[in-house]
Amino acid sequence: EAGVAQSPRYKIIEKRQSVAFWCNPISGHATLYWYQQILGQGPKLLIQFQNNGVVDDSQLPKDRFSAERLKGVDSTLKIQPAKLEDSAVYLCASSPGAGPGELFFGEGSRLTVL
Amino acid sequence: ELKVEQNPLFLSMQEGKNYTIYCNYSTTSDRLYWYRQDPGKSLESLFVLLSNGAVKQEGRLMASLDTKARLSTLHITAAVHDLSATYFCAVNNDMRFGAGTRLTVKP
Repeated sequence: EAGVAQSPRYKIIEKRQSVAFWCNPISGHATLYWYQQILGQGPKLLIQFQNNGVVDDSQLPKDRFSAERLKGVDSTLKIQPAKLEDSAVYLCASSPGAGPGELFFGEGSRLTVL
Repeated sequence: ELKVEQNPLFLSMQEGKNYTIYCNYSTTSDRLYWYRQDPGKSLESLFVLLSNGAVKQEGRLMASLDTKARLSTLHITAAVHDLSATYFCAVNNDMRFGAGTRLTVKP
């Protein structure tokens, strides 16, 4: 069974530029999460989708971050404009059920903002 | 707001020794998860604890859950170098993670 796919693996941009990350969850998984992990910290939940609806986006900085999950499968996380403090690994995870459950993580997308 | 606290945050131990990592959380939850993260890698699921009193064991690691005390423990028995990693707990309510315990096992 294929795991959670993410791209790109690495991205370097300058501040005020924009960037987009893509995630393809495990087939059939209803719930999808985006986490931000700053070096040395635990993952911070940015947004949770169930199918193509948003369940929780309370920690998403909506002035610069946006995310969508079209057709309840793939998801895209966008940052525009980026700030230095956005440098982090962006992790996508999925779980099979509706609602919280064991998470299966992708390899992550490492963003460096200069 | 749910708070998840792990301690210790850093743990250096010698091979062959035993130790326990603690995960406390602030609101009622009936499920808790433990994950492992190797340096530069993503997170891998270790244990899913589904109810009060649940105990799971895999090799030298054993996890338990006390929902009344809002506490989970991850016990390491006779540590080996391969266990060096960062361990995270996450609470089921909203899948928020603790800060992690960075474990280093030295020969």
